[in-house]
Amino acid sequence: GENVEQHPSTLSVQEGDSAVIKCTYSDSASNYFPWYKQELGKRPQLIIDIRSNVGEKKDQRIAVTLNKTAKHFSLHITETQPEDSAVYFCAASPLWNAGNMLTFGGGTRLMVKP
Amino acid sequence: SQTIHQWPATLVQPVGSPLSLECTVEGTSNPNLYWYRQAAGRGLQLLFYSVGIGQISSEVPQNLSASRPQDRQFILSSKKLLLSDSGFYLCAWSVGGQGNSPLHFGNGTRLTVT
Repeated sequence: GENVEQHPSTLSVQEGDSAVIKCTYSDSASNYFPWYKQELGKRPQLIIDIRSNVGEKKDQRIAVTLNKTAKHFSLHITETQPEDSAVYFCAASPLWNAGNMLTFGGGTRLMVKP
Repeated sequence: SQTIHQWPATLVQPVGSPLSLECTVEGTSNPNLYWYRQAAGRGLQLLFYSVGIGQISSEVPQNLSASRPQDRQFILSSKKLLLSDSGFYLCAWSVGGQGNSPLHFGNGTRLTVT
């Protein structure tokens, strides 16, 4: 089955700096890669996703890049703000026409210091 | 718009007692439904998924079971809880019959087995 590794497990940045979180996956059949943000005690919420026919996707301060050859994808947050502090999860899923079968990474705790 | 309800929010149960967690989705028909578990400080592990009434697939062998008695209702159960069943349980849904559509999580149930 799929295995998703996520690094780093914790990341501390100064407000205004950029943050990068990296994930690798093992199953070359995976073609859907979402990122979720989970604030303390709350549910994970989708912040951005990318499919394998796209190499990069951007939404305001958040961008995701995908390298299918190397089987890794990354989340980039620019101009970080204290409200970006949370745990971020990457995930990967193979094509499944009925739905999705996400395998999640272990999470990255991002702390943005004011 | 679609909403997902999950209850109870917190639960403390003794070892050996039964468990029933309920999840309902509104505003959509024939959704895919999922149960995930999140151990403290860890990632999300898929426990069960369902593509239709009475159709349940299990991803990991365990002390738990799931049922889908109605189209938008998903129930997680156990006959006898173990200490290792403690964790944060999340119900989720995605659009039925659509490959790799985003996953939407409920607010979760924090289960402590004592």
